[in-house]
Amino acid sequence: KQEVTQIPAALSVPEGENLVLNCSFTDSAIYNLQWFRQDPGKGLTSLLLIQSSQREQTSGRLNASLDKSSGRSTLYIAASQPGDSATYLCAVTGEKLTFGTGTRLTIIP
Amino acid sequence: ETGVTQSPTHLIKTRGQQVTLRCSSQSGHNTVSWYQQALGQGPQFIFQYYREEENGRGNFPPRFSGLQFPNYSSELNVNALELDDSALYLCASSLGGRGSDTQYFGPGTRLTVL
Repeated sequence: KQEVTQIPAALSVPEGENLVLNCSFTDSAIYNLQWFRQDPGKGLTSLLLIQSSQREQTSGRLNASLDKSSGRSTLYIAASQPGDSATYLCAVTGEKLTFGTGTRLTIIP
Repeated sequence: ETGVTQSPTHLIKTRGQQVTLRCSSQSGHNTVSWYQQALGQGPQFIFQYYREEENGRGNFPPRFSGLQFPNYSSELNVNALELDDSALYLCASSLGGRGSDTQYFGPGTRLTVL
């Protein structure tokens, strides 16, 4: 059974800092890994999708990496802004999409 | 291109009642998946429908049932509501019914069971 873990559960950093969110998964037989953003009480916004054959994906200030053999992914956010405050979820696709419990990120102005 | 839409936005029911949630898939998509997200948790997979047939199910009891229509929109039905059914229900659409397909999520329906 696939299990996805995200550490830390919550993170507060001052505006302008670079930061890294972590995601680990137990079964490396995945098609892809996705990072989502969720604002309070809202749905999910897809940020980046990394296919199992890829090592990383970049979109603007976001960079996601994938190491399938070790079951790890990181989401790097450069030059953080208050608008980045949200919960970030990673999810892996195997037989189904399995989510972690998320990291609640707060950027302090 | 129309994105994934869900209705209603919010819903309040009492224990023992039945509820139907609706999802319209993104244009051109033939697969809909449903997820339950309890407060402070990640979404949990309920089931998936591909071309009107159930195409996978998570660890949810039979009182959670679904339907997909010829236009690929979908319903989630929950019978005999329990307090623990209070959650955000998300649907996602994709093209192809495969695990590797990218899923696009709707805004969700917030269900409160009293």
